[in-house]
Amino acid sequence: DQQVKQNSPSLSVQEGRISILNCDYTNSMFDYFLWYKKYPAEGPTFLISISSIKDKNEDGRFTVFLNKSAKHLSLHIVPSQPGDSAVYFCAASDSGTYKYIFGTGTRLKVLA
Amino acid sequence: EADIYQTPRYLVIGTGKKITLECSQTMGHDKMYWYQQDPGMELHLIHYSYGVNSTEKGDLSSESTVSRIRTEHFPLTLESARPSHTSQYLCASRAVPTGELFFGEGSRLTVL
Repeated sequence: DQQVKQNSPSLSVQEGRISILNCDYTNSMFDYFLWYKKYPAEGPTFLISISSIKDKNEDGRFTVFLNKSAKHLSLHIVPSQPGDSAVYFCAASDSGTYKYIFGTGTRLKVLA
Repeated sequence: EADIYQTPRYLVIGTGKKITLECSQTMGHDKMYWYQQDPGMELHLIHYSYGVNSTEKGDLSSESTVSRIRTEHFPLTLESARPSHTSQYLCASRAVPTGELFFGEGSRLTVL
């Protein structure tokens, strides 16, 4: 049973445009959500997070939106740059167990 | 920049060998994690630790074992490696109070 799902395995966007990556979860106990960027043969790099008490968090070009009623979060990257090309993972955790569950990832390709 | 280190980065060994993947962090984080990732797949939690002398099995069954004798050190051991253990192994620690996971560079294991 996959608790965190990223239904789009890949996404291509033109440089300068907005990239929107989506993530759905099923466990209502999750109260903290994170986005990571990963290159092959490297560890994931933290991008941005959001607590369940918020519905939006912004950091530079990255904004994460959380819709608790829909159990859905999204990552917006504006403007997209070729260096953003990587695999993006969303993750969710609950403060009771401190376990972090990751989605399957979305491969973003930003075209110059 | 997070201070979490994994060695070796790459390892090729024969079936039946015993191996230990090392993970160390200098941030004093209590909670540490091991994830396993096959190419194009999600990160699967295989072990985690709440602190010294604490180890828990993750959601993915694994034949590996871990120990946590010191806060900064969380090694993973395979007593008898098999080709099915070929994968990338990622170690992480949890920052306080923000809750982000910081990852090491990963150890890519190939068992022939």
